[in-house]
Amino acid sequence: RKEVEQDPGPFNVPEGATVAFNCTYSNSASQSFFWYRQDCRKEPKLLMSVYSSGNEDGRFTAQLNRASQYISLLIRDSKLSDSATYLCVVNKGLLYGGSQGNLIFGKGTKLSVKP
Amino acid sequence: DAGVIQSPRHEVTEMGQEVTLRCKPISGHNSLFWYRQTMMRGLELLIYFNNNVPIDDSGMPEDRFSAKMPNASFSTLKIQPSEPRDSAVYFCASRKRSGQGIQETQYFGPGTRLLVL
Repeated sequence: RKEVEQDPGPFNVPEGATVAFNCTYSNSASQSFFWYRQDCRKEPKLLMSVYSSGNEDGRFTAQLNRASQYISLLIRDSKLSDSATYLCVVNKGLLYGGSQGNLIFGKGTKLSVKP
Repeated sequence: DAGVIQSPRHEVTEMGQEVTLRCKPISGHNSLFWYRQTMMRGLELLIYFNNNVPIDDSGMPEDRFSAKMPNASFSTLKIQPSEPRDSAVYFCASRKRSGQGIQETQYFGPGTRLLVL
């Protein structure tokens, strides 16, 4: 099983649509979870952290299910500017050695919002 | 404030040549990461430093790759000799570890696009 697995997409949605991305991770010792956004030919940038209780930032909602080792990102009222690749990111955790600070990136889910 | 700075932004070289990529982390950040991104493999961690000391280099593909961090404001990733399969985007990222624990937000530089012919 891959350490962090995402549907690569692409997700093609009209403006105003609600879209959800899912991600699964294999390391049960992981403690920190994030969504990063990467625009075409740009660097990844932190979109939001994911907390156990779930958290919301404007149109974006992130959820974490530790039992199922599953993370989700919901985007409401999607905008053209939301078009990007969304990377699910999990910290490595001590179970696999190395520093707990190491981050493992999924390959990303591509979103294209159309007018 | 300046973000992470990488140079060069683009590099085209021939197989067998030495390639040196450079990174200046955000001032005050004490962790630095080198990543490689390809379509096939996604974003992979190559090596990272805490307080200029290499902590985990298990992602370095082979002996042709080496990385140094001589001081808190500069790091290099060297490939010698380069091969076509090294073609990728190489990102440098930095992070500040806070006194309350690990601050894991990593800030990425713009990347170096490397093409080895």
